Amino acid sequence: DGGITQSPKYLFRKEGQNVTLSCEQNLNHDAMYWYRQDPGQGLRLIYYSQIVNDFQKGDIAEGYSVSREKKESFPLTVTSAQKNPTAFYLCASGQGTNYGYTFGSGTRLTVV
Amino acid sequence: QKEVEQNSGPLSVPEGAIASLNCTYSDRVSQSFFWYRQYSGKSPELIMSIYSNGDKEDGRFTAQLNKASQYVSLLIRDSQPSDSATYLCAGDYGGATNKLIFGTGTLLAVQP
Repeated sequence: DGGITQSPKYLFRKEGQNVTLSCEQNLNHDAMYWYRQDPGQGLRLIYYSQIVNDFQKGDIAEGYSVSREKKESFPLTVTSAQKNPTAFYLCASGQGTNYGYTFGSGTRLTVV
Repeated sequence: QKEVEQNSGPLSVPEGAIASLNCTYSDRVSQSFFWYRQYSGKSPELIMSIYSNGDKEDGRFTAQLNKASQYVSLLIRDSQPSDSATYLCAGDYGGATNKLIFGTGTLLAVQP
C-alpha cells in the first residue's frame, strides 16, 4: 500500500544533541513537507522540497536542517540550535496543491 | 488578519445534529481549499477538497466555498460521537509555491 512512513514514533533528545527524524514515501509524489504542531498553534511549515536536491525554508526553519537526496526520502534534523524542540512533527507529501497533502503518522519529540 | 482563520472552539453539538465549521481566508490564499480531520494524538486526514464556488457533498459531509466573501465551511450531518476531533481548514497560495496554509483548527465535540 502507498503511504508515508515516519520514524520513530517517539523520540527523546538530550540538551545539546542533534536528532534526525525519518520520512519516507512511496506515493511517487514530487513535493514533501515538514510541519511542526504545538498545542493551540496549528501546523507551522519548517521546510519543503518540490524536487530532488532542492528545498526551501518555511516559516520556522531556524534550528532545523533537511536534505532531499532521493525522491522518496526527506529527513529532518533538529539541531541543538533549536531551543524549544518539544513538539509533534508531521511529514507530508503532495503532487500539486489541487490534491492536498498526505500526512505521515508523526513523530513526537521530547527534550529530556 | 491571519491567512486562514478558524474559531478554536470547542464546538459542542448533540448526536444527530448538524455541525457547522467555518473558515475565513485572506487575499494571499486562493484556488483550492481542504478540510482535514485530526483525532487527538494522530495525524491529519484529508476528508474534503473544494475548488469552485458552491457546495460539494460527500456522504454526510458538505463543503461550501464562497470566494467573494472569502469563507469556506464544512457541514457534518447526523453528527456522531466518532466525529469528535479537530478540523483543520487549509488553502493553497496558488502560483508555483505548491504550499498549503493551515488554520489552527476547530475542536468539535459531539455529545451522545
